[in-house]
Amino acid sequence: EVQLVESGGGLVQPGGSLRLSCAASGFTLNNYWIHWVRQVPGKGLVWVSRIKSDGSDTIYADSVKGRFTISRENSKNTVFLQMNSLTGEDTAVYYCARKAGHDYGMDVWGQGTTVIVS
Amino acid sequence: QSVLTQPPSVSGAPGQRVTISCAGSSSNIGAGYAVHWYQQLPGTAPKLLMSGNNNRPSGVPDRFSGSRSGTSASLAITGLQAEDEADYYCQSYDSRLSVLLFGGGTKLTVL
Repeated sequence: EVQLVESGGGLVQPGGSLRLSCAASGFTLNNYWIHWVRQVPGKGLVWVSRIKSDGSDTIYADSVKGRFTISRENSKNTVFLQMNSLTGEDTAVYYCARKAGHDYGMDVWGQGTTVIVS
Repeated sequence: QSVLTQPPSVSGAPGQRVTISCAGSSSNIGAGYAVHWYQQLPGTAPKLLMSGNNNRPSGVPDRFSGSRSGTSASLAITGLQAEDEADYYCQSYDSRLSVLLFGGGTKLTVL
């Protein structure tokens, strides 16, 4: 089965750090761009970051730039999101999703992992 | 406020047709970047509904269709069913901001 599974969420104090993982199974991760998207319960989807298939290029939303770092280990079929200097505004469900490129939508999503900064 | 603007809510009776608009600008939809649509049922992860303007992934009924014109895009749903009640999001890329964008989301209520 093709799936993405996020882990690493939890409760952290303001100013703290967390590292989220996004593990792929059923497909080869290095053929896809991977995105992180977050959602405050009851609110809309907010794009966070993207890493291209070979890790050569990363982009971030302004709200996380300089604090979050996306990386990948294709050999482990895993993408990471290192989150530093967390604030209450980072509290959300974090999803990872795969995308084959600009012309393609995010066709596989994880179930989400919850980050609470308090 | 999202750079891609969607109506907060739309509604329709079973069997009717509804459209959800997504208004962008010359640096995203107007620049030709693909628009994708997602459906999110309560308590679940988003699901890709429409890829690259009007390509339905396998399993998505042909009651769903997408279109674009200028700096806007639309999702049309015909033959509304109770199971269509969900939140819908458009998504594109913005070359001026160099970021991906989601619209603010539209809650579809089936009356």
